[in-house]
This record gives sequence, structure tokens and C-alpha cells, in this order.
Amino acid sequence: AQSVSQHNHHVILSEAASLELGCNYSYGGTVNLFWYVQYPGQHLQLLLKYFSGDPLVKGIKGFEAEFIKSKFSFNLRKPSVQWSDTAEYFCAVNGPGRRALTFGSGTRLQVQP
Amino acid sequence: DGGITQSPKYLFRKEGQNVTLSCEQNLNHDAMYWYRQDPGQGLRLIYYSQIVNDFQKGDIAEGYSVSREKKESFPLTVTSAQKNPTAFYLCASSWDRGPDTQYFGPGTRLTVL
Repeated sequence: AQSVSQHNHHVILSEAASLELGCNYSYGGTVNLFWYVQYPGQHLQLLLKYFSGDPLVKGIKGFEAEFIKSKFSFNLRKPSVQWSDTAEYFCAVNGPGRRALTFGSGTRLQVQP
Repeated sequence: DGGITQSPKYLFRKEGQNVTLSCEQNLNHDAMYWYRQDPGQGLRLIYYSQIVNDFQKGDIAEGYSVSREKKESFPLTVTSAQKNPTAFYLCASSWDRGPDTQYFGPGTRLTVL
């Protein structure tokens, strides 16, 4: 069975600090990878995705993620966080054998002004 | 205004009662999904449907039922058999061909009193 691990459950940063959130998956095949964000009181929305091609993908609001196939990882990065990045971040994966998403447990990011 | 709507936003239920959560989409998507979100556990798949009049159980289907009589609608019934129904329920939809992004509704928070 496929699974997704997010290593950081709660991260606290000051504004302008750099961010890296870890995501590792186990899946026997070609994968599609996603990062979703849930701002307080808002919909779960797509931050970025990887289907194929360049393993470094850029998303909205200055976020990027790198797919490293050999490490089964898809870590999320942002060079300089803002207070408005305070949210919960979810890594998710699917593939040909399973169209529904498998989610990690989420990382709650708190950015202090 | 295209998107996914879920109603109601908040729902309270007495133990032993069945309750139905609504999910409607006007994105013309083929596939629809129900996920349950609990603190610290991410999102888990309850049911999904790839086509009208067909649906499959997800990872935690016990105590839930669904129907897919129309392409745009995928209601979820939480039955009295669900042992711990208090949670945040999210509906999503996507195309059912090739890799694609799932779009999420605003969610329904169900509380069992």
C-alpha cells in the first residue's frame, strides 16, 4: 500500500526565514506528486504539482518543490517565508493504480512576525 | 462561478442518526471523491466515483454510503454505524483521464453530540 510521510508536524519560523518541508512516499510505480495548502478557514488549495519533466517545479506564492526519484522525496521549499504563509501543508501522491490521493499527515507552519 | 460546493458548513447530529452531506460540482469533472480530515492524520479516502452510477470504497468506507445519480452530485451519508463520525469532511473532483489535479470544496464540519 502506498503511503506518504511528512516528517515535520509543526514548524515555527520567523518572517524571512527559509523553509523546507520534507515529504517521502512509498509507491511502486510512476507517481504524480502534489503539495496542497490549507490557510485558516479556507479551502484546501493546490500549491504545486509534479507529473513529469523538470523535477524542480515552481508553484504559487514563491513555493517550489524538487522531485528526487532515488530518494522517493518531494520536499517543499521557500527562500523567505511571510506571516501570510501560516497554514497547514499537505503532501499527496497518486498514480496509475490509484487515482485518489494518498495524503501525508500534514505540517502546520506558524510564521511569527 | 465554477467550483465545488458543500453544504452545510457545520452540521450537528445526535448519536444514532444518519446524516447526509451534500457535494455539487459544476466543473464537468468525471471523478468525485470524499475524504475525511482529522487533526494530525491528514486526509483519508472514504469513497470515490469515476463515473455516474458507479463508485468504489476507499480506505475508511465502513459506516458511510454514497450515491452518484448525476455527474455533478456525490452525496455522502454518515450512518449510525460509523463509530467516530465527528470530523471535517472534504469533497473533491477531477477529470478521469491522464494525471490531473483534484479540486476541493470548502468542507463540512460534522459534530456528533
